[in-house]
Amino acid sequence: TQLLEQSPQFLSIQEGENLTVYCNSSSVFSSLQWYRQEPGEGPVLLVTVVTGGEVKKLKRLTFQFGDARKDSSLHITAAQPGDTGLYLCAGNKVGTNAGKSTFGDGTTLTVKP
Amino acid sequence: DAGVTQSPTHLIKTRGQQVTLRCSPKSGHDTVSWYQQALGQGPQFIFQYYEEEERQRGNFPDRFSGHQFPNYSSELNVNALLLGDSALYLCASSLTSTYEQYFGPGTRLTVT
Repeated sequence: TQLLEQSPQFLSIQEGENLTVYCNSSSVFSSLQWYRQEPGEGPVLLVTVVTGGEVKKLKRLTFQFGDARKDSSLHITAAQPGDTGLYLCAGNKVGTNAGKSTFGDGTTLTVKP
Repeated sequence: DAGVTQSPTHLIKTRGQQVTLRCSPKSGHDTVSWYQQALGQGPQFIFQYYEEEERQRGNFPDRFSGHQFPNYSSELNVNALLLGDSALYLCASSLTSTYEQYFGPGTRLTVT
């Protein structure tokens, strides 16, 4: 069983649409990160959230950490083809050292022009 | 300011052989973590090095070993390669007290 479940696994939308992807767990996390990864490259860090209920905005991207620190969501407004990629969430379980991150299997997003 | 670098970019090995992958962390970072990413999956934590010692380890066999040098760079060694070891191997660097990790481009290992 995956510690972090991401949904949906695949998402294909038209340019200009809004979307939300989810990252859920039954475990509590000290922090949670969102990454974007393109084929053949390493993940690129988008944001880190550490406080339950925290909301962070990065241009058209809005990240939310659940009140209980067990889940998170990523909302993209007016998606663009450049948003295409694999979106990964990763968390640090309570009691583990920073740097030992558990990853979900990601949501593959395709934005069609 | 150079980011995380890894070498080589691609590598093809035969089952049973040994391989060494290299990583240079982002300037100012003191902690290096290694991950294995199979096709269609998220990265899986292998181990983490800090102050030249293995600090944490994931569920990987002893065939996977590593080293960190005084300049914080790191190596990942895999012995007795299996077909299932074919994957993208990612190195991530961080400051030991922070959650943010910065990844290199990875080494694509193919075992035939």
